[in-house]
Amino acid sequence: GEKVEQHESTLSVREGDSAVINCTYTDTASSYFPWYKQEAGKSLHFVIDIRSNVDRKQSQRLIVLLDKKAKRFSLHITATQPEDSAIYFCAASKWTEGADRLTFGKGTQLIIQP
Amino acid sequence: DAGVTQTPRHEVAEKGQTIILKCEPVSGHNDLFWYRQTKIQGLELLSYFRSKSLMEDGGAFKDRFKAEMLNSSFSTLKIQPTEPKDSAVYLCASSWDTSSYEQYFGPGTRLTVL
Repeated sequence: GEKVEQHESTLSVREGDSAVINCTYTDTASSYFPWYKQEAGKSLHFVIDIRSNVDRKQSQRLIVLLDKKAKRFSLHITATQPEDSAIYFCAASKWTEGADRLTFGKGTQLIIQP
Repeated sequence: DAGVTQTPRHEVAEKGQTIILKCEPVSGHNDLFWYRQTKIQGLELLSYFRSKSLMEDGGAFKDRFKAEMLNSSFSTLKIQPTEPKDSAVYLCASSWDTSSYEQYFGPGTRLTVL
């Protein structure tokens, strides 16, 4: 089955700098890659996703890049702010007749230093 | 619109007990997921329903974990018998099947098995 790996378990950046979180996946059939955020003491919520028909997607300060050849995707957070501090989970799934099961990475704790 | 609700928020059980966790998905959502979250294993899929039909029953979790969806607005996860290693946060999530792939997560039930 699919395996999703997040390479950084913890990432610390200065406020205002950019943060990059990297993920790799194993199943070439995977074609949908969402990111979820979990703030301290709270549940997960969706932040951004990308499908395999594009290699870049941006939503305000969030950019997702997808390299299908390398089976790698990444979340870039520009101009980081204290509220960006959280655990970020990447995930992958196939794209069949709608939503399919997601395989999650183990999460990256992002710390924004003042 | 109400989000995903889960009850109870906390549960303490003795080893060998049966516990039932409850979830109400977002109204109108067709897909429902049960996950277990631990620091070591991350997010593990336990069960996945589409339009109340069981699509995946979580493989290794089959023998003591049973999820049911009796109607489109209510699901239960039964763990029987509980073991200390079941201590974790159990998350329920729901999503639409064709219009949106974003999963909406509930606040979770923190289970402690003594």
